[in-house]
Amino acid sequence: QVTLRESGPALVKPTQTLTLTCTFSGFSLSTSGMCVSWIRQPPGKALEWLALIDWDDDKYYSTSLKTRLTISKDTSKNQVVLTMTNMDPVDTATYYCARSHDRNFDYWGQGTLVTVSS
Amino acid sequence: QSALTQPRSVSGSPGQSVTISCTGTSSDVGGYNYVSWYQQHPGKAPKLMIYDVSKRPSGVPDRFSGSKSGNTASLTISGLQAEDEADYYCCSYAGSYTLHVVFGGGTKLTVL
Repeated sequence: QVTLRESGPALVKPTQTLTLTCTFSGFSLSTSGMCVSWIRQPPGKALEWLALIDWDDDKYYSTSLKTRLTISKDTSKNQVVLTMTNMDPVDTATYYCARSHDRNFDYWGQGTLVTVSS
Repeated sequence: QSALTQPRSVSGSPGQSVTISCTGTSSDVGGYNYVSWYQQHPGKAPKLMIYDVSKRPSGVPDRFSGSKSGNTASLTISGLQAEDEADYYCCSYAGSYTLHVVFGGGTKLTVL
């Protein structure tokens, strides 16, 4: 059974750095073809893909946010970590992690709401 | 990369069929057969409904179907049911040496 769970702060201040952790089970990120992505959704708005890390430790980022994002993995802990620097109120959103396999997001976490406010 | 274009809302009565379009460019939807569709109920995580343009994951009813023509992909839901009322997002995976993923703006489906 594949599960993913996001964790991190619910509230961050402007200019701070956000660190989110995705803890997963039911698959291994060392298996060829496996990837984990971060996707966010501002309240009432559309989904936005942020970053992806694959089994081979290749990393890909949204063009518009790449200067602020870092994605990493700890295969032994079954975790993927996303950091986003210089947070702004417009970054207020629910942040999801999702498994990518064969170029689609087949399993999602329940999401974690991050509010950026002073 | 720009978001894919979807109608903001569609509606239909129970038993009817509806189609949601998703328009991109030759760099995403038109260039690759990696279009997927996601259903999202309020307060819930998205759920994969269609992948690789027209394939259905196990457990997704065959009332849901996908297709593509040129730069436009479509999701058709036949035999509408009340539980189909949700937001639907298309997504295109693109890129060869560098990866791009782009979502549509979402479509609210109302079952009348």
